[in-house]
Amino acid sequence: DTAVSQTPKYLVTQMGNDKSIKCEQNLGHDTMYWYKQDSKKFLKIMFSYNNKELIINETVPNRFSPKSPDKAHLNLHINSLELGDSAVYFCASSPGLGQGANNTGELFFGEGSRLTVL
Amino acid sequence: SQQGEEDPQALSIQEGENATMNCSYKTSINNLQWYRQNSGRGLVHLILIRSNEREKHSGRLRVTLDTSKKSSSLLITASRAADTASYFCATSLMTSGSRLTFGEGTQLTVNP
Repeated sequence: DTAVSQTPKYLVTQMGNDKSIKCEQNLGHDTMYWYKQDSKKFLKIMFSYNNKELIINETVPNRFSPKSPDKAHLNLHINSLELGDSAVYFCASSPGLGQGANNTGELFFGEGSRLTVL
Repeated sequence: SQQGEEDPQALSIQEGENATMNCSYKTSINNLQWYRQNSGRGLVHLILIRSNEREKHSGRLRVTLDTSKKSSSLLITASRAADTASYFCATSLMTSGSRLTFGEGTQLTVNP
């Protein structure tokens, strides 16, 4: 049983195209994230949703649009793809936002979606 | 400025040796976490240390935290070839709630 699953695992596309990456978690978590990992393995947060509500929106081009139809799903749509969008995109989830003793803020990651823009 | 810088960037050791990785950060934190990433895989949480803790153990892992120096170290004892991976520290800041900020990672290679 995969806790955080994202599809597709690999995506190769041409510049200018529009593509989507889907993410689902079966952990019952309230909070989901998208992170981008570049070729040097630097991991940077892009978005975070809590119970379908956007709570973190980093300085990301508006070509990137996250959508959370319910708290178990967070999809990422990218318009007009550019060469610089090539990266590995990771979905993650965590129990919630609270800082209580039982909420450590530990993230559970998917296996990543490698996007290559040609 | 980037929160979470690690050194060394790469570390190569022989099986059985200990591996130590360091992480420094800039602002006050709630907790600091260490993650492992095997090649081509997602990140896996290893251990968390809260800002009021100084040392924590989990199996062959030992994490220390020095809030006065704003630094942490991860020690892996009696390393195995299967420990070969990238290791990242991540900080949860006082002001950013659930947001985790990751360091640049240390690539550990354990040679059999």
